[in-house]
Formats: sequence, C-alpha cells, structure tokens
Amino acid sequence: EIVLTQSPGTLSLSPGEGATLSCRASQSVSNNYLAWFQQKPGQAPRLLISGASRRAAGIPGRFSGSGSGTDFALTITRLEPEDFAVYYCQQYGSSPYTFGQGTKLEIK
Amino acid sequence: QVQLQESGPGLVKPSHTLSLTCTVSGGSISFGGYYWTWIRQHPDKGLEWIGYIHSSGSTNYNPSLKSRATVSLDTSENQFSLNLRSVTAADTAVYYCARDFDLTGYYDWGQGTLVTVSS
Repeated sequence: EIVLTQSPGTLSLSPGEGATLSCRASQSVSNNYLAWFQQKPGQAPRLLISGASRRAAGIPGRFSGSGSGTDFALTITRLEPEDFAVYYCQQYGSSPYTFGQGTKLEIK
Repeated sequence: QVQLQESGPGLVKPSHTLSLTCTVSGGSISFGGYYWTWIRQHPDKGLEWIGYIHSSGSTNYNPSLKSRATVSLDTSENQFSLNLRSVTAADTAVYYCARDFDLTGYYDWGQGTLVTVSS
C-alpha cells in the first residue's frame, strides 16, 4: 500500500498570499495518478487536480498541481477567502487507492 | 449534470450488515468507462477508499476491510450499492459514493451519509 504524507499539517496564511502544499508518496505513483481535493466542513471533497497537474472542470486558474514519481505539490496563488479548507492528496495508480492525512489551510 | 445521492439506514447494530445505495440521476449507470466507488470518512478524520465496481463489472476492494465489502450495480434502477458485513463501531463514518471516468479523478460525489454502528 502506498502511504501518502502531506505537509505541513496546518498552514496559516492571509488572503492574497500564496500557498504550497506537499504530498510525498512512500513509492512511485504509477502514471502520476495523483489527485488533489478540497474539503470544507459538512461537504463532500471537491476534485481540484487529477493526473498530478490537470485542473478539473470549473477549477480556478490559481490552483495548480505539479510533481511526479514520489513528490507532488499543490500551489494556490493569491488566496481567496473561500480557499481556506482542508486539502487531501490521493493516489489512484495502485490498489488500494490511498489518501494523505490532509493539510488544513487556515486564515492567519 | 449528473448527481449522486446516498441512502440507507443511519444506524446499524454491531455484527449486522451495513447496506447503502447510491442513486445516479442525470446520466446512465450503464455507460461504459466509469468506476462507481464508495469512500468513507471517520468522524473528524481523513478519507478511506472502500472499493469500486467498474462499468465492465469488475470490482476492486481495500484489503483493510478483510473481504467484508461488496459493491454491486443495479442498472434497472440506475443505482449502485455497498454491503459491508459484520460491522463494528470502527465502521462508524460518513459514507460517500463517487464516480471516476476512465481514471480522470473522482469528479462527482454524493453529499455523504452518516452511518453509526451502535446497539
């Protein structure tokens, strides 16, 4: 099973700043099948990025994904108030599919 | 636009079977290429992938569930279902249904349903 480790656990930033969230895999993610999700309280996760860098339909351009192999990142430029949430990475290249433990992005 | 909606009992007794249904509207469950999936989230915890059934009928499950899970399709009702046998309190979670087209990511999700295992 591939273990995904996200860092930091909590990130405190102000609106307008940029954010970089990290996701490290215990082994290489096949075909870079790595996704990023945003989750707000009481809501289902929302797909932001799939295939490590492909933005999902309707996702603003300030969200971008990068990386390959075992190291991946989600970058959010110019944080908006609605971006403060919990972010999860997920690999779907090897079964069982696994999620990271999450990064909480909070308002400073 | 497709919508997914979970339904089922909110309370299940220990050692019993948890049964949930996901009703798909706005699209046919028979359309090829989809992975119809169940994912759960323990209270205030992270996400756990349970398993899927592909449009072809093939299935794949998380071994951590020790063969207790079964996902099935009901094309006549445009639904898919999860049965989780021999539940314990550790199975208390919000259960989500979701779909992925051709490994492009879980774009569509249900709103989630809380299932509590308790006597």
